[in-house]
Amino acid sequence: AQSVAQPEDQVNVAEGNPLTVKCTYSVSGNPYLFWYVQYPNRGLQFLLKYITGDNLVKGSYGFEAEFNKSQTSFHLKKPSALVSDSALYFCAVRDPGAGSYQLTFGKGTKLSVIP
Amino acid sequence: GAVVSQHPSRVICKSGTSVKIECRSLDFQATTMFWYRQFPKQSLMLMATSNEGSKATYEQGVEKDKFLINHASLTLSTLTVTSAHPEDSSFYICSARFGGAGTEAFFGQGTRLTVV
Repeated sequence: AQSVAQPEDQVNVAEGNPLTVKCTYSVSGNPYLFWYVQYPNRGLQFLLKYITGDNLVKGSYGFEAEFNKSQTSFHLKKPSALVSDSALYFCAVRDPGAGSYQLTFGKGTKLSVIP
Repeated sequence: GAVVSQHPSRVICKSGTSVKIECRSLDFQATTMFWYRQFPKQSLMLMATSNEGSKATYEQGVEKDKFLINHASLTLSTLTVTSAHPEDSSFYICSARFGGAGTEAFFGQGTRLTVV
């Protein structure tokens, strides 16, 4: 079974400071990892994904994430936070060997960027 | 990125009535569509997976007779909440995907259902 943990319910960061939103995963094989962002009363927007290759993945809106196999982590980062980055962030995993296209989501992390 | 349109964005209905939510992939053919339910301040709970032309696969604990899912074409899936009750009030989100396992899923904007 696959699972995702987002250990922080909320992350607060000052505008202009770097931000990190943590994610760890558990799958039986090699994972496909995704980050999504959700604004209030909206669906999820895709930010970035790791499938294979370079461990550092760059995505939309200046976000990036680093895949760390030994630590089974896929933390989301941004060098300089904007107030408009305030939203709910979800990490998700898919096990390509499981024969299913389902995504398993973490519980989400609310990011608040303080002006 | 690909666009998924979900309609309506908000609906209020009376207890005992049925509500239909539509999910359309606008610029791609979706081989698989997913329906989620999201409770306040919680993650997404997968309700069912549907493939075009076949019956939906429901997750454990989801009543298939209450949440009817139809995936009649490669661009349209519908979720009908039958005989709605206040406890069905929630945020429902669809997603659609195509291609191999490494392809991301694209999400609709969600539907806020309130049953009064």
